[in-house]
Amino acid sequence: AQKITQTQPGMFVQEKEAVTLDCTYDTSDQSYGLFWYKQPSSGEMIFLIYQGSYDEQNATEGRYSLNFQKARKSANLVISASQLGDSAMYFCAMRGIYSGAGSYQLTFGKGTKLSVIP
Amino acid sequence: EADIYQTPRYLVIGTGKKITLECSQTMGHDKMYWYQQDPGMELHLIHYSYGVNSTEKGDLSSESTVSRIRTEHFPLTLESARPSHTSQYLCASSGITGLQETQYFGPGTRLLVL
Repeated sequence: AQKITQTQPGMFVQEKEAVTLDCTYDTSDQSYGLFWYKQPSSGEMIFLIYQGSYDEQNATEGRYSLNFQKARKSANLVISASQLGDSAMYFCAMRGIYSGAGSYQLTFGKGTKLSVIP
Repeated sequence: EADIYQTPRYLVIGTGKKITLECSQTMGHDKMYWYQQDPGMELHLIHYSYGVNSTEKGDLSSESTVSRIRTEHFPLTLESARPSHTSQYLCASSGITGLQETQYFGPGTRLLVL
């Protein structure tokens, strides 16, 4: 079974500063994928960034980067130059069981609420 | 990026009513999903579909049912709503982006059963 742990229920960051949101995972699979999603107060889930277990380089997407440490089973999200619009819940997720027809299930962590302070 | 639509966005309904939450996507994705999320909590998969006429139950037991008669449409039905069904319901579909398969989510339906 896969498990995602996000140990920071809430985080504060000053506008324009960088912030790291922690995510550790547990899996017995050799091949897996890790995702980060942003959920504003409006409720939708917005895909941010993906890291594959065999990717040698850390993923980056604009101001988002993923600090992937495979041996430590961690996949922390780094947001650079925080903006007020970054205030939201952030969820780390892992691709779960690969079950037929190319489908897969996502296992989510409990999330971290990020608040950006002006 | 997928375009996923959910209606209604908000629903307040009395106990015992039958409700259907609509979900449609315009990207032709074969795989679709329904998640349930209580406020401030993680998402739990309740149903998924590999394609037309395919439906499977997810990890979280749910009294809801789903159908997949058309590729773009994946409605969720509660035959008799109860206060315990109060939650947010998120629909998603997945397709290949680059080298990975990514799930894209709709805006969600917030359900309150009185």
